[in-house]
Amino acid sequence: DAKTTQPPSMDCAEGRAANLPCNHSTISGNEYVYWYRQIHSQGPQYIIHGLKNNETNEMASLIITEDRKSSTLILPHATLRDTAVYYCIVRGISSGSARQLTFGSGTQLTVLP
Amino acid sequence: EAGVTQFPSHSVIEKGQTVTLRCDPISGHDNLYWYRRVMGKEIKFLLHFVKESKQDESGMPNNRFLAERTGGTYSTLKVQPAELEDSGVYFCASRLAGDLYNEQFFGPGTRLTVL
Repeated sequence: DAKTTQPPSMDCAEGRAANLPCNHSTISGNEYVYWYRQIHSQGPQYIIHGLKNNETNEMASLIITEDRKSSTLILPHATLRDTAVYYCIVRGISSGSARQLTFGSGTQLTVLP
Repeated sequence: EAGVTQFPSHSVIEKGQTVTLRCDPISGHDNLYWYRRVMGKEIKFLLHFVKESKQDESGMPNNRFLAERTGGTYSTLKVQPAELEDSGVYFCASRLAGDLYNEQFFGPGTRLTVL
């Protein structure tokens, strides 16, 4: 699976949009971009995933650049409960791909009141 | 629907003792994973079950760790004998069979402290 690069930390004001960037310049055509987050003292939680089109669900939006070398997770209206470590993970889905998730260091997002 | 559950939530043992962690996946999830985060490090994969079979155990650190999933339901992870460097948080996750892009659902973790 391709490696990802994320800033170690970010702050965001409560109620504002949080935009978390991720670089994955070596991503290959059959690899998806996943986002998980870990709120303190809890297990990681799935947020969203995408291949090449932008995706939106009730939690967040995922914007993937046309060349797929980077992506941005957007939390449209951040709340204090969104304070967590956010992980961008690239993972293949072909039969030969690793089935586990490879976590990096992630981005510590702190939502400020 | 109940999520992934893990027991115990915390365990404090002395070096050389044995500890068994338990994971109950979401009902119907054939895939079960174990991960752990040791102090200051990233979350690392340990192993993957498909039903009762070990699909991939490449992340198991050494032979002091033994994972089982008899009957393809709950799983146990035994550490025997425990060492200081085994301290950390052990997570279990489960996933539906079929599409590999299906999300993994994580449990709350077991915090293991080896003194």
